[in-house]
Amino acid sequence: GAVVSQHPSRVICKSGTSVKIECRSLDFQATTMFWYRQFPKQSLMLMATSNEGSKATYEQGVEKDKFLINHASLTLSTLTVTSAHPEDSSFYICSATLSPNYGYTFGSGTRLTVV
Amino acid sequence: KQEVTQIPAALSVPEGENLVLNCSFTDSAIYNLQWFRQDPGKGLTSLLLIQSSQREQTSGRLNASLDKSSGRSTLYIAASQPGDSATYLCAVKGGSTLGRLYFGRGTQLTVWP
Repeated sequence: GAVVSQHPSRVICKSGTSVKIECRSLDFQATTMFWYRQFPKQSLMLMATSNEGSKATYEQGVEKDKFLINHASLTLSTLTVTSAHPEDSSFYICSATLSPNYGYTFGSGTRLTVV
Repeated sequence: KQEVTQIPAALSVPEGENLVLNCSFTDSAIYNLQWFRQDPGKGLTSLLLIQSSQREQTSGRLNASLDKSSGRSTLYIAASQPGDSATYLCAVKGGSTLGRLYFGRGTQLTVWP
């Protein structure tokens, strides 16, 4: 149990366009999902906490208008990178947990390249 | 603010060796601690989860210990294999059911034949 699916795995987009990344909990309901960003040879940086039915909570320094998060159902959260620029190129990963005592499950990640 | 440190940053060993990866954290008020494995360009795979009330967990050749009072955890890998090559990440969950994860920067492990 506790499988998290993330799509797409890779995306290349032109500068100025928007890209949507989906994160789904396949066999459980997740009222909370988390979005991370990872730079090469760095650890994961928490960007925001996605809450079903309410606004996301963004970490300090993360632009909420640039990284739009929607958590419209108990199994789906989306991250939209708006007006993408080359500096937004990175590896984005989502996670969720079945229950507080269960531990976190991560998606397979999305490699975004903005050209 | 919780800070997580992993030592060593990188490790290269011949197969068959027993390995110890270290993780330390500054705030002992954690809910649990989780060890992950990450292969290049991939997501994270959970290896072991230790609740704050537990001292250790075992899964196959992996054993993780937790000393909450001293802010340390150790991941022990027995009889290492080339397939164990990956980056190993330690993460602690803040001291509540709603706590967020704090990650170390990982130990990059290479096991050569």
